[in-house]
Amino acid sequence: SQKIEQNSEALNIQEGKTATLTCNYTNYSPAYLQWYRQDPGRGPVFLLLIRENEKEKRKERLKVTFDTTLKQSLFHITASQPADSATYLCALRRGGGGNKLTFGTGTQLKVEL
Amino acid sequence: GAVVSQHPSWVICKSGTSVKIECRSLDFQATTMFWYRQFPKQSLMLMATSNEGSKATYEQGVEKDKFLINHASLTLSTLTVTSAHPEDSSFYICSASPQDRDTEAFFGQGTRLTVV
Repeated sequence: SQKIEQNSEALNIQEGKTATLTCNYTNYSPAYLQWYRQDPGRGPVFLLLIRENEKEKRKERLKVTFDTTLKQSLFHITASQPADSATYLCALRRGGGGNKLTFGTGTQLKVEL
Repeated sequence: GAVVSQHPSWVICKSGTSVKIECRSLDFQATTMFWYRQFPKQSLMLMATSNEGSKATYEQGVEKDKFLINHASLTLSTLTVTSAHPEDSSFYICSASPQDRDTEAFFGQGTRLTVV
């Protein structure tokens, strides 16, 4: 089965800096990979999706890269703000139909003033 | 658009009782919904796939008689935790996707279940 690993330790950065989060997966390469944000006590919120034939995807201050050779995705938040503090999850779609996901362990990001 | 609503947000129940959690897609129809469970400091783990009009599909290790799933309409799936025990205390979250946006999963707010 697919296994997804993210930085297990919390990432603390200063406001204005770029946060970089890593997602590594084993086994097969998925057709696409997704990133979600989760705040404490809330359900995840979709942020970005990147397909296997895309090297990079951007949305406002967010950037995602996808390297199917390394089996790795990097998630960047530029000009980070305290409001970006949350847990970020990468997810891969599982087989069997529907948007059924396997999630990574998540990385907690704290942006300090 | 694409809002998923879960109810209740939190519930405390006594050991041995049953608890029902509802998941509704408010502005789209969902033939399939998914139920996840999340323990503190851990990631979401898929429990089961809820299929409208047919039986749910459970992941390995999830007891179907304990976690009853009913998907009676295209906008509602329910998860009933039967004979709850303290080890069932967790954060339960559902998700669904509209057909035309099926690459994004839309999650409910989650339900914090505490069994005492």
